[in-house]
Amino acid sequence: AQSVTQPDIHITVSEGASLELRCNYSYGATPYLFWYVQSPGQGLQLLLKYFSGDTLVQGIKGFEAEFKRSQSSFNLRKPSVHWSDAAEYFCAVGARNAGNMLTFGGGTRLMVKP
Amino acid sequence: EPEVTQTPSHQVTQMGQEVILRCVPISNHLYFYWYRQILGQKVEFLVSFYNNEISEKSEIFDDQFSVERPDGSNFTLKIRSTKLEDSAMYFCASTWTGTDTQYFGPGTRLTVL
Repeated sequence: AQSVTQPDIHITVSEGASLELRCNYSYGATPYLFWYVQSPGQGLQLLLKYFSGDTLVQGIKGFEAEFKRSQSSFNLRKPSVHWSDAAEYFCAVGARNAGNMLTFGGGTRLMVKP
Repeated sequence: EPEVTQTPSHQVTQMGQEVILRCVPISNHLYFYWYRQILGQKVEFLVSFYNNEISEKSEIFDDQFSVERPDGSNFTLKIRSTKLEDSAMYFCASTWTGTDTQYFGPGTRLTVL
C-alpha cells in the first residue's frame, strides 16, 4: 500500500528566507507525486506534479520540487518565501493505474514571520 | 479556466439524517472522486467513479455512503444516516484520463449535530 510522510507538522520561516518542506513516500514502483496547497477555509490547489522525466519540477508561485528515487523523497522548495505563502501544504502520491486514488501526507502548516 | 464546483459550501444536519453533497466536475473529465478531511487530519480517499460505476473505494466508504452521476454534469455523494463522526470537509475531484492531475473543488463542510 502506498503511504506518504511529512515529518514536519509546523514550520515557521521569516519572510524572504528559503523554504524546504519534506515529503517521503512509500510505493512499489515509480509513483505520481503531487504537492497541493490549502489556504484556510479553501480547497486544494495544485502547486506542482511529477509524472516522469526531469526530476526537478517547477510549479506555480515560484515553488519547485525534486524527485529523489534513492531517498523516496519529493521535497518542496522555494528560494524566498512571501507572507502570502502561509498555508498548509500536502504532499500526495498516486498509483499509475487508471482511476487511481491519491494518498496524502498529514500536511505541513507553514507560518511566515514578517 | 475550468474548475470543479461543489454545493453547498456548508451543510448542517442532525444525526441520522440523509445528506447529498453535489459536485460539478470539469466538463470533459471522465474520472470522479470524493475525499474527506476531518478537522485537523489528513485528506482521505473515499471513492473513485468511472463509466457509471465505482472503480475503487476505501474502508471508510461503507454501506452508508453512495455515489451517483444522475446526469451529464453532476456527481453526488449521499450519506444515508449521518453520524457525528461524518463531520468533515468533503472534496470532490475530477480528472480526464484517471492517471493525470486530479483537480479539486472548494469543498463542502458537513457539520453533523
